[in-house]
Amino acid sequence: NAGVMQNPRHLVRRRGQEARLRCSPMKGHSHVYWYRQLPEEGLKFMVYLQKENIIDESGMPKERFSAEFPKEGPSILRIQQVVRGDSAAYFCASSPRIEYGYTFGSGTRLTVV
Amino acid sequence: AQSVTQPDIHITVSEGASLELRCNYSYGATPYLFWYVQSPGQGLQLLLKYFSGDTLVQGIKGFEAEFKRSQSSFNLRKPSVHWSDAAEYFCAVGAKAADNKLTFGGGTRVLVKP
Repeated sequence: NAGVMQNPRHLVRRRGQEARLRCSPMKGHSHVYWYRQLPEEGLKFMVYLQKENIIDESGMPKERFSAEFPKEGPSILRIQQVVRGDSAAYFCASSPRIEYGYTFGSGTRLTVV
Repeated sequence: AQSVTQPDIHITVSEGASLELRCNYSYGATPYLFWYVQSPGQGLQLLLKYFSGDTLVQGIKGFEAEFKRSQSSFNLRKPSVHWSDAAEYFCAVGAKAADNKLTFGGGTRVLVKP
């Protein structure tokens, strides 16, 4: 079991470009979560998905950010028209059930230049 | 809504000394509680978890934590730290409810002096 796989590990985008972050959950895990970590800050919840459904997107900025978890393939976090303030580490986690906690990926570090 | 407070932003401890990291949570029912560790540039690794039963839980790397309902706390301890324990530690609370997500504290960065 390869664990939670995130790619790319590092992503550099110019202001105004799009960023696509991918996450493949652990085998057997049907819950996927995205968190953002800004420098010197903790983790902020963004979105919780199950296959083909967004369960909770209360932490997602209202504009430019979207997430999906299709029936086939990885979960995608998409940021359109990136700005410098989007520079952060984005972590994906998966879980079979909440009482097991999460398994985290290694994160994608987005730098907007 | 649940919340988590880690009062100490930084802690410096000498190698071989004991370590205690504080975590206070706010939630109306019995929560699920977790401690994670993050090394620089890495993801988060689960150290231990509590959701029922014995209030003293043992985790990996020699860590333990105690759930105290009366104090709404879940403090993490290690009797003797190693230089490799230098990292950032996050407490998290979850609930068996529809939202099913974890809320994290702000983290405590641990520095280990030789």
